[in-house]
Amino acid sequence: DQQVKQNSPSLSVQEGRISILNCDYTNSMFDYFLWYKKYPAEGPTFLISISSIKDKNEDGRFTVFLNKSAKHLSLHIVPSQPGDSAVYFCAASERSGNTGKLIFGQGTTLQVKP
Amino acid sequence: DSGVTQTPKHLITATGQRVTLRCSPRSGDLSVYWYQQSLDQGLQFLIQYYNGEERAKGNILERFSAQQFPDLHSELNLSSLELGDSALYFCASSVGLSSGNTIYFGEGSWLTVV
Repeated sequence: DQQVKQNSPSLSVQEGRISILNCDYTNSMFDYFLWYKKYPAEGPTFLISISSIKDKNEDGRFTVFLNKSAKHLSLHIVPSQPGDSAVYFCAASERSGNTGKLIFGQGTTLQVKP
Repeated sequence: DSGVTQTPKHLITATGQRVTLRCSPRSGDLSVYWYQQSLDQGLQFLIQYYNGEERAKGNILERFSAQQFPDLHSELNLSSLELGDSALYFCASSVGLSSGNTIYFGEGSWLTVV
């Protein structure tokens, strides 16, 4: 049972344009969402997060939007740069259980073309 | 550098063998998580320890076990290895247990079973 889904395995955009990465979840107990970026042969690195009490969080070129009613979040990168080319993972954690563990999506490979 | 250290970085072993992967969490982090990433797969949660005690269990096989020591470093033991166990194993750590904690990942241990 995949509780966090990233339905697009890959995305290709032109440098300077907007990249939009999408993520859907099924567990209504999730209350904290994160995006991680992963380069080959490296561990995932934290990018940006959002609490379920918000619908938007911005950090420089990165903005995460949360639509709780649709159980959907998205990551916007504007403007996209070639260095943004990586695998992006969406992750979620739930308030119950008091563990903080993250459930990850399958990842989306972003390629930004110069 | 996330501050999470994993050894070894690469490991090749034969089927039926046993290996131990080691992890040192970030300074001050009490919670340690183990994740598995197989080819074309997302990050699958295996197990979590908090201050020496098992806190949460995911899709961890019975052939696998883990522990966290008093100095907070952790080991993941994989036994009776099969070809399908070949994967990238990540250790991650966080300060506590709340869903608002960011989890920081090590660079991973590449395990190849031949």
